[in-house]
Amino acid sequence: DAKTTQPNSMESNEEEPVHLPCNHSTISGTDYIHWYRQLPSQGPEYVIHGLTSNVNNRMASLAIAEDRKSSTLILHRATLRDAAVYYCIGGSARQLTFGSGTQLTVLP
Amino acid sequence: NAGVTQTPKFRILKIGQSMTLQCTQDMNHNYMYWYRQDPGMGLKLIYYSVGAGITDKGEVPNGYNVSRSTTEDFPLRLELAAPSQTSVYFCASSPKASGANVLTFGAGSRLTVL
Repeated sequence: DAKTTQPNSMESNEEEPVHLPCNHSTISGTDYIHWYRQLPSQGPEYVIHGLTSNVNNRMASLAIAEDRKSSTLILHRATLRDAAVYYCIGGSARQLTFGSGTQLTVLP
Repeated sequence: NAGVTQTPKFRILKIGQSMTLQCTQDMNHNYMYWYRQDPGMGLKLIYYSVGAGITDKGEVPNGYNVSRSTTEDFPLRLELAAPSQTSVYFCASSPKASGANVLTFGAGSRLTVL
């Protein structure tokens, strides 16, 4: 599995965009980059994933660097409900390893 | 849609007791997983299964056993509970993977061993 590095914590103001960075310099060429988030006292939930191209869905956008050594999760307008721990994961299909993630605080 | 259902939600065990955490999914997913999460930490993979009758160890399998007799169920067994097994346990499932692997998690089971 690829080792990922994320900041321990970030803050954002409500209704502003948030860019959550992740470094995954050891990711293999066939491993997808996944993002999950975990709301307080809940199980993780899927946010988005991608391989090489930038991806968009209703929750967020994923920008992947051309060399695939880093990616950025973009929340276009943060809400208070987006306060969570965000995990960036790069790994094989059978085993996804979760690091400590980034604790996102959204300020009203 | 129930998704992934875990029982019990909370349990207190004494050292040396045994118990089984139940996990069932109704999405016909082939892959199932058990993770544990210690306070303030990320999730660590205990065991996973790629289909009925097939299981394999993850990162932290010691002290646990699993079985997969049906597609729907993936119970996790603790034989001799120890304080180090105090944690929140999450079960997850995913469709047969082909590169991308989107996991659906249960709500978790909080276990305390005293």
